[in-house]
Amino acid sequence: EDKVVQSPLSLVVHEGDTVTLNCSYEVTNFRSLLWYKQEKKAPTFLFMLTSSGIEKKSGRLSSILDKKELFSILNITATQTGDSAIYLCAVERGFGSRLTFGEGTQLTVNP
Amino acid sequence: NAGVTQTPKFQVLKTGQSMTLQCAQDMNHEYMSWYRQDPGMGLRLIHYSVGAGITDQGEVPNGYNVSRSTTEDFPLRLLSAAPSQTSVYFCASSPGQGAREQYFGPGTRLTVT
Repeated sequence: EDKVVQSPLSLVVHEGDTVTLNCSYEVTNFRSLLWYKQEKKAPTFLFMLTSSGIEKKSGRLSSILDKKELFSILNITATQTGDSAIYLCAVERGFGSRLTFGEGTQLTVNP
Repeated sequence: NAGVTQTPKFQVLKTGQSMTLQCAQDMNHEYMSWYRQDPGMGLRLIHYSVGAGITDQGEVPNGYNVSRSTTEDFPLRLLSAAPSQTSVYFCASSPGQGAREQYFGPGTRLTVT
């Protein structure tokens, strides 16, 4: 059975802190790993990772994939209150027609 | 360009009632899907479609039906609502026939009493 596990499930930090969110997976026919940010409503796409060791970066957010150890991390540096959200990790498998999501990490950034 | 739209935003049903959640996208995306989101369980795939006329089951299809007669629309039907179907429902679409980089609608909050 496919499995995507995120940790921690929740995290409270102060503005300016750096955080690392983890996602490990066990899926058949891995194709890609995706990160989404969910604030009050719908998830919005952050990154898609397909190759090991290549960092994707967008402003203060970055992510990397390790296909040998089957995990990914999402780093957020110099956190701001606007980073408060649920961060979802999902794995695409097979020919890309299904995503399996993890439970999500609830990040709260306090001023 | 409205993206992915869902109606209604909120709905309350009694046990045993049926209803249809509407989803439409104007991006000419081939792939569309329905998820439900429950506390502590992330998003779970209900049904998906890789193109008009083609649908398939996801992880939790029981109690739900879908059809895809056009590229734009992908309605989700609840046949006989049960309290266990109380959830937030998201529709999503992506270009090509793959599930990657999906664009999500704003969600429908459904309560079954």
